Amino acid sequence: NAGVMQNPRHLVRRRGQEARLRCSPMKGHSHVYWYRQLPEEGLKFMVYLQKENIIDESGMPKERFSAEFPKEGPSILRIQQVVRGDSAAYFCASSASGTGLTGGEQYFGPGTRLTVT
Amino acid sequence: GDSVTQMEGPVTLSEEAFLTINCTYTATGYPSLFWYVQYPGEGLQLLLKATKADDKGSNKGFEATYRKETTSFHLEKGSVQVSDSAVYFCALRGTDKLIFGTGTRLQVFP
Repeated sequence: NAGVMQNPRHLVRRRGQEARLRCSPMKGHSHVYWYRQLPEEGLKFMVYLQKENIIDESGMPKERFSAEFPKEGPSILRIQQVVRGDSAAYFCASSASGTGLTGGEQYFGPGTRLTVT
Repeated sequence: GDSVTQMEGPVTLSEEAFLTINCTYTATGYPSLFWYVQYPGEGLQLLLKATKADDKGSNKGFEATYRKETTSFHLEKGSVQVSDSAVYFCALRGTDKLIFGTGTRLQVFP
């Protein structure tokens, strides 16, 4: 059973370009979470999605960032008009179940390291 | 809001030394608690977890006990190895998302 897959592993963008990060959850998982890790910091929650629905986007910046998890295909985190401060590692996690204090365990992908030049 | 506080690193130890990494939390209700490990250039791997007070999570010689009275979940290992060198994150789960501490880097020298 393949784990959570993310691609690309490394992405370099110039300021003003768009970045698209992809996440394929583990087989059988329908809940996806995106986290951002700035250099030398812990992970910060960005958004939680189920198939075709955004459940919690309380950690998403209000502008330039969007996420989707379509019925078919991977989840996509999209960053428009990137700036240097967007340089970070972006991790995706998936779980078989979601909400509630006894929700499913989250399994992490290897991350996408975005560098904005 | 909910939060996790970890001791700052780096923690530097010789092989076979005893390890403690402190973690305390603030949360409403009774969250589940986790320790994750991150090796260089990799994603996070779940190391152990505890879902209720007095539970002890353990894995690969590491253990942590959910202490509700002190709101703590300290990570311990009796004898560390060079291969344990990594960054360790304490986390709690609220309603859906994980809330992480800032991480503690462990360096073990032979």
